[in-house]
Amino acid sequence: DAGVTQSPTHLIKTRGQHVTLRCSPISGHKSVSWYQQVLGQGPQFIFQYYEKEERGRGNFPDRFSARQFPNYSSELNVNALLLGDSALYLCASSLVAGGSYEQYFGPGTRLTVT
Amino acid sequence: ELKVEQNPLFLSMQEGKNYTIYCNYSTTSDRLYWYRQDPGKSLESLFVLLSNGAVKQEGRLMASLDTKARLSTLHITAAVHDLSATYFCAVDDSGGGADGLTFGKGTHLIIQP
Repeated sequence: DAGVTQSPTHLIKTRGQHVTLRCSPISGHKSVSWYQQVLGQGPQFIFQYYEKEERGRGNFPDRFSARQFPNYSSELNVNALLLGDSALYLCASSLVAGGSYEQYFGPGTRLTVT
Repeated sequence: ELKVEQNPLFLSMQEGKNYTIYCNYSTTSDRLYWYRQDPGKSLESLFVLLSNGAVKQEGRLMASLDTKARLSTLHITAAVHDLSATYFCAVDDSGGGADGLTFGKGTHLIIQP
């Protein structure tokens, strides 16, 4: 079975632009979470979606938004990009939200903001 | 605010030696995860620890969880070069909700021949 997939792999944007990152979960998984990993740090939680509804949100500004589609894939949108948004963005899928269900991470999208 | 602290943050060791990475956290959660990350790559799940006293082993790695001490350890036995990577612990404190995982800063492990 295919694992979590993310697109694009790499992305270069200019300050002030908008970016959309995409994630497809493992087949049968209904929950998708997004994390931001700045170089040299551990991942930080941004959002969790389950059954197309936002179930949790980390400490990120409103410039960050996300949604989940009926097929459980997800998009992360970031508006008005800042240099500090440069990071590896990781998507993780799990069977359901919360509880003790393991999260499986995708390969990530590396975003560079210049 | 949940805090997860790993130590050491950097570890250089020789092949064949044993060592332990520590993960302290500030909540009463009993759900803790260990991940491995190779340079430029994503996170690979190593262990899922879901109760006090849980111990899991895979090859040269063994992880344990003490929820009363709020401590998890990742023990490396007879290290080999292939284990060189960054290791993260992560705590799930959502209490059945959806607050995501809180990660430590990671332990950058280099194993030298």
